Amino acid sequence: DAGITQSPRHKVTETGTPVTLRCHQTENHRYMYWYRQDPGHGLRLIHYSYGVKDTDKGEVSDGYSVSRSKTEDFLLTLESATSSQTSVYFCAISGGQEMTPLHFGNGTRLTVT
Amino acid sequence: GQQVMQIPQYQHVQEGEDFTTYCNSSTTLSNIQWYKQRPGGHPVFLIQLVKSGEVKKQKRLTFQFGEAKKNSSLHITATQTTDVGTYFCAGPYNAGNMLTFGGGTRLMVKP
Repeated sequence: DAGITQSPRHKVTETGTPVTLRCHQTENHRYMYWYRQDPGHGLRLIHYSYGVKDTDKGEVSDGYSVSRSKTEDFLLTLESATSSQTSVYFCAISGGQEMTPLHFGNGTRLTVT
Repeated sequence: GQQVMQIPQYQHVQEGEDFTTYCNSSTTLSNIQWYKQRPGGHPVFLIQLVKSGEVKKQKRLTFQFGEAKKNSSLHITATQTTDVGTYFCAGPYNAGNMLTFGGGTRLMVKP
């Protein structure tokens, strides 16, 4: 498996609190992605990055922000968590353009109570 | 925006039976990718199809890309319990920078 580490693996937090999820890669890949997975919805793209400090929105970006200050780290922040953000979050990386295959991390299970 | 639909959503089969999942896109795709996610795991890349009408095989798995490059299928011959999981198709959009996933087909195999 590609060198992708997500932290934490599990988190329970209360509504209204800020939460940051971290994705760390050792592959020096340019592209990094955050997806969320919910029953009946498959995988939906939240945000992605195509380089240091270069990010763009995905299809479900409301309520989320991201930062990429180094090639290896991509952070996903929920400024004020809501129960609708309870989900499994996957980070993915890709080495090239035109959608070379994605390699996924092991995921973070987030529960917002 | 682009939509990628998969059917069926669930499929129960007896071990040894065949299985097929279908993927349809609302727009023409430059390529299509397939992923497998085992229960409790993360999606793992299986294959990418690029050419119109392309057919690729991986042991008991056969992948097809439609002539119009708007649909694809995955066929598993003689399923085994190790095939259990959710199979996703995915297509690129936004100049190839983003990948849209279908909703997935969850395969359950009874031994």
